[in-house]
Amino acid sequence: DVKVTQSSRYLVKRTGEKVFLECVQDMDHENMFWYRQDPGLGLRLIYFSYDVKMKEKGDIPEGYSVSREKKERFSLILESASTNQTSMYLCASGLAGAGAYNEQFFGPGTRLTVL
Amino acid sequence: QKEVEQDPGPLSVPEGAIVSLNCTYSNSAFQYFMWYRQYSRKGPELLMYTYSSGNKEDGRFTAQVDKSSKYISLFIRDSQPSDSATYLCAMSVRQGSNYKLTFGKGTLLTVNP
Repeated sequence: DVKVTQSSRYLVKRTGEKVFLECVQDMDHENMFWYRQDPGLGLRLIYFSYDVKMKEKGDIPEGYSVSREKKERFSLILESASTNQTSMYLCASGLAGAGAYNEQFFGPGTRLTVL
Repeated sequence: QKEVEQDPGPLSVPEGAIVSLNCTYSNSAFQYFMWYRQYSRKGPELLMYTYSSGNKEDGRFTAQVDKSSKYISLFIRDSQPSDSATYLCAMSVRQGSNYKLTFGKGTLLTVNP
C-alpha cells in the first residue's frame, strides 16, 4: 500500500521560530512536492524535488527552503515562521519518467499554526 | 486570469442526485487532466484522469474534457453520502524536464441522506 507520512498532524509555533516539516515516502518515488492549502486559494506548490539533493521552486517559495538528503525524505523549512505561514501543509510524491501523467500521492497533511 | 478556475461551492445535493463539477483553464499546454478527491482531514487522492477530449467512465463517475473550450467536468451519478468531499481538478504541465500539477481551488460537495 502506497504510503506518504508527515511528521506531525498538528503543530503550533511562535513567530520567528525555525520550523521543520518532515515527509517520508516508502514507494521509491523520485519526485517529491510540498504544497500549502488555504481556504479560497486552494493547493499551491511551494517547492519540489526530482532527485536527491535537487530542488526547484514552485509558485510560492518565498519564506521557505527545502532539503532532500535521502530519496525517501523531503523536508520543508520555515527559517523564521510568520503568522501568514499558518496553513495546511501537504507533502506528495510521484514517479519520474511518467511524463505528463503526473499522479501524485499525498500525505495526510500538517496543520501549522504560527502565533 | 488564473490558469485554472473552479467554483468552490459549497454544493449540497440529496442522495441519488447527479452531480456536475467543472473547471475551466487557460493554458493550452496542459496535457493530462485529473480529478482528486479529498476527504475531511485527509490528503487528496487521485480519482480519475484523462488525456484527450471526450468522456471516460469509471463506475458512477464520468470525466469529460473539451479541449476546444478548455473545459473539464466530473459527473457523479447516483450520488452517495460517502461522496461528500472536496473535489479538486488538476492539470499537468511541463516545467523544464519535469512536470508539475496545477490545481483548481476545489469544490466542497455534501450529499445529504
